[in-house]
Amino acid sequence: GAVVSQHPSWVICKSGTSVKIECRSLDFQATTMFWYRQFPKQSLMLMATSNEGSKATYEQGVEKDKFLINHASLTLSTLTVTSAHPEDSSFYICSVSRRQNRAFFGQGTRLTVV
Amino acid sequence: AQSVAQPEDQVNVAEGNPLTVKCTYSVSGNPYLFWYVQYPNRGLQFLLKYITGDNLVKGSYGFEAEFNKSQTSFHLKKPSALVSDSALYFCAVSLVNDYKLSFGAGTTVTVRA
Repeated sequence: GAVVSQHPSWVICKSGTSVKIECRSLDFQATTMFWYRQFPKQSLMLMATSNEGSKATYEQGVEKDKFLINHASLTLSTLTVTSAHPEDSSFYICSVSRRQNRAFFGQGTRLTVV
Repeated sequence: AQSVAQPEDQVNVAEGNPLTVKCTYSVSGNPYLFWYVQYPNRGLQFLLKYITGDNLVKGSYGFEAEFNKSQTSFHLKKPSALVSDSALYFCAVSLVNDYKLSFGAGTTVTVRA
């Protein structure tokens, strides 16, 4: 399997500030990680694919300059929500995929922008 | 392109009764199919997967799912539901050579005592 740790679990920030969320693969070197966004009682929406050592691949409609992704090592990917606004409030989840595409998820980060 | 449909937003059952959560998929190619469960404010936990072979797949916590190619379905089942099974359930599909998962909208399961 794989153990994925996400930090912080929850964060409250003021409108206009930036927030960084970390996703660590604790026991597996992940060249690729995935970032999802989930609204209350809704499905997961893939935001971007994080690629170690190269630029992230963003899904259509996701603002690259708004959601900065850095994957500087095989065990860490970060998502920075820049100039956050209340509409960015959501649950953000990262994942790592292993053999046969089984995904292992972090515990998620609840972001509230006030 | 690939997609997943979970036709029921909510499923309510009494404890001890059978539980079924429906899922149908659309994919061009051979699919990998998954079920995940999510508890409030938590990430997703893996329940089971279908890759190839036997159409009946057994997973964690007594859950099983049956792959039906002709009906493009992958319904999740549990013979006797527990109150602790109350959660949000997601069906997901990916193609064999692509790590990307497509999720269904999710089904909220409520098991009453």
